[in-house]
Amino acid sequence: DAGVIQSPRHEVTEMGQEVTLRCKPISGHNSLFWYRQTMMRGLELLIYFNNNVPIDDSGMPEDRFSAKMPNASFSTLKIQPSEPRDSAVYFCASSQSRGDEQYFGPGTRLTVT
Amino acid sequence: AQSVTQPDIHITVSEGASLELRCNYSYGATPYLFWYVQSPGQGLQLLLKYFSGDTLVQGIKGFEAEFKRSQSSFNLRKPSVHWSDAAEYFCAVVLGDTGRRALTFGSGTRLQVQP
Repeated sequence: DAGVIQSPRHEVTEMGQEVTLRCKPISGHNSLFWYRQTMMRGLELLIYFNNNVPIDDSGMPEDRFSAKMPNASFSTLKIQPSEPRDSAVYFCASSQSRGDEQYFGPGTRLTVT
Repeated sequence: AQSVTQPDIHITVSEGASLELRCNYSYGATPYLFWYVQSPGQGLQLLLKYFSGDTLVQGIKGFEAEFKRSQSSFNLRKPSVHWSDAAEYFCAVVLGDTGRRALTFGSGTRLQVQP
């Protein structure tokens, strides 16, 4: 398997622009997680899906952030409008069942100027 | 509130020396415990996990960790460190009995290996 695939790997955008991050989980995994990593806050959960349904979005910072999982093999995280404080590395991870280890993608490094 | 503490932000060891990275958690229930490693510019790779059973678990790359319920700890160890082990290490937990499956991470420990 190719592992968790994320695109783009790097994104540089200007404040106010819309940003869309993409994730393809490992085939057969039924849970998908979006995490954000910053120097100030470390690694924190944004949202996770189970069987394509959002289960916990308590980590989504505000209404500017939205996430979708239209099918079992694809998810997006959208920021609109983007702000400089959104600059971070965004990781997608997937897992097979409750308690099983999560497999992480390589991350998307987002820079908002 | 649930939390994971890694008290050491940065550790430096000599190549060939032993290593222990500390991790403590605060939960009322039995957690599932994990150690991940992150090399610069990379994603996170699972080193090992503990769900139940034998409290000493073996992982990849020669790492092991011991779960001590009485101390709420899950420390990571390696008997002989290699230069390639230089990276950041994260302890993480999932609450086993709440249905919440997301990982809660510690703040990480950055390991530097001296030749």
